[in-house]
Amino acid sequence: GAGVSQSPSNKVTEKGKDVELRCDPISGHTALYWYRQSLGQGLEFLIYFQGNSAPDKSGLPSDRFSAERTGGSVSTLTIQRTQQEDSAVYLCASSLSSQETQYFGPGTRLLVL
Amino acid sequence: KNEVEQSPQNLTAQEGEFITINCSYSVGISALHWLQQHPGGGIVSLFMLSSGKKKHGRLIATINIQEKHSSLHITASHPRDSAVYICAVRWTADKLIFGTGTRLQVFP
Repeated sequence: GAGVSQSPSNKVTEKGKDVELRCDPISGHTALYWYRQSLGQGLEFLIYFQGNSAPDKSGLPSDRFSAERTGGSVSTLTIQRTQQEDSAVYLCASSLSSQETQYFGPGTRLLVL
Repeated sequence: KNEVEQSPQNLTAQEGEFITINCSYSVGISALHWLQQHPGGGIVSLFMLSSGKKKHGRLIATINIQEKHSSLHITASHPRDSAVYICAVRWTADKLIFGTGTRLQVFP
């Protein structure tokens, strides 16, 4: 595709449910990033993939958060037992390499009731 | 104290004015990004720089590594420049640390 795509664009869930967010990076981009932007807050780094491996998971806020990337392409961010404080916009970005400009997807707006 | 500080937090300008947004950081970095977030939420990367100056159209970004400071300038500002401008530094392990953003409104 022409850019980074994310799905779903919006997700409303009940507290305690699991959610899975998907990111399709730009074809050929080896680096993939997940960020979170809570309401009224700045952007927060969550995790970075280089290929299929995630050398830096330090940004994940708790062990309820996990992410994987298979085939060096699509990535999923999973939040287990969602809490209200997980409500935010989850953004994905990709780049040709970690040294290159990042291209952002439109985000998934998650609301936990 | 945040590792990345931006100023001002909010900025209003009349169309045509020259605008400067500042970013200071306290950690060693390999690169600095300037991002633009539109009211609809979409984020666009404007610049990535590690030294000197870059120019794209009416936008100019400069960085002084010794002083740990970067500026984003907009010449001949236009209402469509209204957005939140975010400074982010690439720290270790390719992690980005973000400033809290500068909200710019340009009035006709």
